[in-house]
Amino acid sequence: AQSVAQPEDQVNVAEGNPLTVKCTYSVSGNPYLFWYVQYPNRGLQFLLKYITGDNLVKGSYGFEAEFNKSQTSFHLKKPSALVSDSALYFCAVSPQDTGRRALTFGSGTRLQVQP
Amino acid sequence: GAVVSQHPSRVICKSGTSVKIECRSLDFQATTMFWYRQFPKQSLMLMATSNEGSKATYEQGVEKDKFLINHASLTLSTLTVTSAHPEDSSFYICSAWRSGNEQFFGPGTRLTVL
Repeated sequence: AQSVAQPEDQVNVAEGNPLTVKCTYSVSGNPYLFWYVQYPNRGLQFLLKYITGDNLVKGSYGFEAEFNKSQTSFHLKKPSALVSDSALYFCAVSPQDTGRRALTFGSGTRLQVQP
Repeated sequence: GAVVSQHPSRVICKSGTSVKIECRSLDFQATTMFWYRQFPKQSLMLMATSNEGSKATYEQGVEKDKFLINHASLTLSTLTVTSAHPEDSSFYICSAWRSGNEQFFGPGTRLTVL
């Protein structure tokens, strides 16, 4: 079975500083990896995904993530945080090889960007 | 991008009543949809996989007789919470699978059972 770990419940960063939200995963075979953002009482908004190819994936709103197979990690990054980036972030995984398309989500990390 | 809608966005009902939540893919056909549940300050947990024209596949621990899923067309799946109780209060989110390894999520339905 696949699993996702987001070790930090909350990440605090000052506006303009770089941010990192950590994610590690466990899956049989090759993974599909995703990052989503959720604002209060809203559904999930897609940020980016890794399927294959370049390990550095660029997504929406200036976010990017780096796939590291040896460390089984897919950390979310942004060079310069905005106050409006404050939200709940979820990392998710699904295995490529089984045909199971449902996503397994991490526990979420709340990002708080201070002005 | 593809759009998935949910209706209603918010529902309050009395204990013992049934509530139906609709999930629609607005601009693409979805043979597979998923239903997730999210409790406050927790992650999304997969409840079931909804397959067009066949029975839904439920995750372990999810009562299929309580959470009825119907996927009657390529653009609509419904989740009916039967005989709802306060512990069923949650945020229910659907997603629709589109080819190309894309899942698109609905905006969610907040269910409150009094």
